[in-house]
Parts: sequence; C-alpha cells; structure tokens
Amino acid sequence: DAGITQSPRHKVTETGTPVTLRCHQTENHRYMYWYRQDPGHGLRLIHYSYGVKDTDKGEVSDGYSVSRSKTEDFLLTLESATSSQTSVYFCAISGAYEQYFGPGTRLTVT
Amino acid sequence: QKEVEQNSGPLSVPEGAIASLNCTYSDRGSQSFFWYRQYSGKSPELIMSIYSNGDKEDGRFTAQLNKASQYVSLLIRDSQPSDSATYLCAVNGAETSGSRLTFGEGTQLTVNP
Repeated sequence: DAGITQSPRHKVTETGTPVTLRCHQTENHRYMYWYRQDPGHGLRLIHYSYGVKDTDKGEVSDGYSVSRSKTEDFLLTLESATSSQTSVYFCAISGAYEQYFGPGTRLTVT
Repeated sequence: QKEVEQNSGPLSVPEGAIASLNCTYSDRGSQSFFWYRQYSGKSPELIMSIYSNGDKEDGRFTAQLNKASQYVSLLIRDSQPSDSATYLCAVNGAETSGSRLTFGEGTQLTVNP
C-alpha cells in the first residue's frame, strides 16, 4: 500500500467551527489531492498541490483552503464548517499519472 | 454532458461470469485512463491503468481503450463474490493540468454466488 495516512479518521463538529484535516505521505510524491465523496456526485476534487507551497483549486473549492509547507503533508481546512460539508474526504498522492488514495476521513457537521 | 460517464448500475452477474463495465469520456485529447475498485466504506484502489488503444490484461482483469470512440471498458473474467464493489472510471484529460483526474460516478457490481 502507498504510504498515505489521514487524520482524524472520524470527526463530528458543529456548524461554524473551523476544522483541519491532515494528509501525510511517506512516498515523496510531488502531487497531492483532496477529494470529497458524496452519494450521487462521486469523487470531486477540492484542491490539489503540485509542490511545496504550490496549490490550486479544484471543482468544489468554495469554503475550503489548503496548505503544503512540506512535501509529506497536505492540510485541508474548513474555515467555518457547514452541514453541506458533511462528507467523506479522501487524500490522494501521485508521482506522475496514477493516483493512490488514503483511507479517508468521515466528517459530520451538526 | 458529463465529462466521464459510466454505465448505470447496479450490475449483477453470477459467479464465474464475465462482468463488463463501460465508460465514455468527452475530452477527445485525454491520454490516461484508470479503473479503481472501491469496497463499501473503503477508499478507492487502483486496479488498472491504460494509456494506448487496445487491450491490457492483468490476471482476470482486461482494460480496453478506444480513443476514436472515446470509450474505455473493464472486463472481469471468472467473476468472484469478492469482486462485488463499486468500480470507478477516471480520465486524465488534455484540458486538465498535471495529473488531475476526472472520475465517473461509478458502477456498483454484485457477483452472486
């Protein structure tokens, strides 16, 4: 398995609170991604990174921010969580074209 | 039109049969194509990648690519109950930068013993 971990694995939070999800890799891959997966929508890209401090928006970036200060870590922050951000969040890494996924974080916003 | 479309499911096949999963894509310049398997409650797992027209075989799995028809498929021979999962098609398009992928919504496959 690709060396990808996500933390926390489960989180319940209240509307309006900030939340940070962490993705950590041991593969030294250049690219890292954050997706959310919802029934009826499949996997949707939130943000991605193509290097340290280099990030860009995906198709559903509103309400999310990211940071990558080290090759191995990619953080996803929900500035003020809303119920519509209840979802399963996956991190993925890639050296070239093939992407490998972390175990996921189940986030519930009440 | 969705960028990546998969045949609607769920798909149910008997054990030992061939399961056929289909995917079409809209970006004619797409170069890289992937199939992921996702068990319920788990993360997607890469099972096949294909980059050129034709067939690519790996064990019981065969990926088929036809760029002229903008079509990619996955065949699972001798289907087993353990193949029951959702299969996701993913495409790296010419319009997307780097290694970004666009995913289909998935096809749920059930293999009945």
